[in-house]
Amino acid sequence: NAGVTQTPKFQVLKTGQSMTLQCAQDMNHEYMSWYRQDPGMGLRLIHYSVGAGITDQGEVPNGYNVSRSTTEDFPLRLLSAAPSQTSVYFCASSYSFQGNTIYFGEGSWLTVV
Amino acid sequence: AQTVTQSQPEMSVQEAETVTLSCTYDTSESDYYLFWYKQPPSRQMILVIRQEAYKQQNATENRFSVNFQKAAKSFSLKISDSQLGDAAMYFCAYRSAETSGSRLTFGEGTQLTVNP
Repeated sequence: NAGVTQTPKFQVLKTGQSMTLQCAQDMNHEYMSWYRQDPGMGLRLIHYSVGAGITDQGEVPNGYNVSRSTTEDFPLRLLSAAPSQTSVYFCASSYSFQGNTIYFGEGSWLTVV
Repeated sequence: AQTVTQSQPEMSVQEAETVTLSCTYDTSESDYYLFWYKQPPSRQMILVIRQEAYKQQNATENRFSVNFQKAAKSFSLKISDSQLGDAAMYFCAYRSAETSGSRLTFGEGTQLTVNP
């Protein structure tokens, strides 16, 4: 049982490049979310999913796309990276609607130069 | 939309003493969950304690306890007998009982330093 796995852990991108942050969970969780954490701020919700094929926008969705083709995977795509997207990204998942136990990945450090 | 405010960007405490971290939130909902998360330098998000809004009793987990004041929309964290390993960033977070499981609204965080 690996929990929530994020890859890569570190990435440097050039402005305008695209990339995908991967998130996978092996706990059969329906609910998954992506957050970003900037210095001096808490985590902010980018996108979330309530099940395969169902996604919606969070607080800061601009510049990011998501899809959920399987229960296990919830990739986050940066279409054209900008320096403002330099951040630490966290994926989270939970099983029940009540979400009493929310599992976080270890984070992905992204620098856009 | 709900908001969470942590008014103390930094706090410090002497080892073995007690410290209280403050958190206020704004919501029009009556049913929700509140959390305190610890984030050490590794950036791992560690759940410290959880409170259900419909429960009047304050949650307690070993040296960690909360003071939940629903009418005042206040949710403070008390750490007793502080240890060096408690040094970390602490985040207060809110989750509506009506939204999906892993959607949280976080405060800005409080950086806690523990002095030996």
